[in-house]
Amino acid sequence: QVQLVQSGAEVKKPGASVKVSCKASGYSFTTYAMHWVRQAPGQRLEWMGWINAGNGNTKYSEKFQGRVTITRDTSASTAYMELSSLRSEDTAVYYCASSGPSAWYLFDYWGQGTLVTVSS
Amino acid sequence: EIVMTQSPATLSVSPGERATLSCRASQSVSSNLAWYQQKPGQAPRLLIYGASTRATGFPARFSGSGSGTEFTLTISSLQSEDFAVYYCQQYNTWPPTFGQGTKVEIK
Repeated sequence: QVQLVQSGAEVKKPGASVKVSCKASGYSFTTYAMHWVRQAPGQRLEWMGWINAGNGNTKYSEKFQGRVTITRDTSASTAYMELSSLRSEDTAVYYCASSGPSAWYLFDYWGQGTLVTVSS
Repeated sequence: EIVMTQSPATLSVSPGERATLSCRASQSVSSNLAWYQQKPGQAPRLLIYGASTRATGFPARFSGSGSGTEFTLTISSLQSEDFAVYYCQQYNTWPPTFGQGTKVEIK
């Protein structure tokens, strides 16, 4: 069965960076894409960007362009999301979610979420 | 970007009753509309895609309809496990966008 397992909660100071991992299993990692979606307290889900796990191509939301970097390690079936220049408004649960070639922006499986807290 | 608007924000329903949730897109998304169910402390879970196709594991009491800009999620007879927050999402146009959610709570 498909599983996306994310790394644990993080506490960071303003201005720092955070890197969250998402290990996939149960499917062919390079056939699919991995997205990152965040959910700030009381806010709607917000798409941040994605990586085509096969060719490594990425695309980011304009809101996060320049601050977010999504990478992958095909040998480990793992995707990573790094967010820099953290501010308090970045406190949120960050999810990875997979999608397939039939609909690249349809999120069929989700990780359990990683809480990132930004506080001085 | 396409703005997704859901109504109502909260829906109070008794078990066994019908629940109807609405989602409106600021421009046409064809049938490229998904619904997700999110329970407290859990990740969202794909419920409906293509506006009306149920994802694996969800019973027939969940149904979706609509196309273009107006969409509906109907839960025909609410069970205790259905009380959750439901989000719509368009995947027709980059960037993908979500509604603000409808919380279905026990009346």
